Amino acid sequence: QQQVKQSPQSLIVQKGGISIINCAYENTAFDYFPWYQQFPGKGPALLIAIRPDVSEKKEGRFTISFNKSAKQFSLHIMDSQPGDSATYFCAARLIQGAQKLVFGQGTRLTINP
Amino acid sequence: NAGVMQNPRHLVRRRGQEARLRCSPMKGHSHVYWYRQLPEEGLKFMVYLQKENIIDESGMPKERFSAEFPKEGPSILRIQQVVRGDSAAYFCASSPREGTDTQYFGPGTRLTVL
Repeated sequence: QQQVKQSPQSLIVQKGGISIINCAYENTAFDYFPWYQQFPGKGPALLIAIRPDVSEKKEGRFTISFNKSAKQFSLHIMDSQPGDSATYFCAARLIQGAQKLVFGQGTRLTINP
Repeated sequence: NAGVMQNPRHLVRRRGQEARLRCSPMKGHSHVYWYRQLPEEGLKFMVYLQKENIIDESGMPKERFSAEFPKEGPSILRIQQVVRGDSAAYFCASSPREGTDTQYFGPGTRLTVL
């Protein structure tokens, strides 16, 4: 099953709070899990990515937690800022073949000042 | 180093017309991916091309849609006889070679079919 399920669909967080977005997959043939940030009218921009051989990766205020056995991964945004308000997509890449990305449905994040 | 470029940024077509979307990958990148994003949805893979070759078109509708990436010039996504359901944002991404992780996305072309 080549699907990635993302939740929640929308999220409102107060400035300074922690934003958490979750994704789950079923296909064990995924080998790379990026998160993309998209602002209205713009293309997706890579935010942070992880491979399944590590359980956590942190870059600045952004952290990916990866649970291989549960086939779940999540994005944590610490000290959330109004400028983080955007749509976030998780994705997974197939090991074989075209290495195409399979995207989640997206989470619209709003950070209230 | 310029990023992925797409044009036009906005395209309006009437039902039955043809739409041509162009994508110039980042300099040095020879792999191009096309994705479609319907309103309020995630991106869906359409096709993966290398120079002069279609590697995977498993996400392309069987009819009316075609893609190419010639030896010289941009990649072209062509939609013939457009219908209202083709209205979407079409994104192109590029990567330098097979096996690299990151795909860099362009700003997209917003196609509206009247």
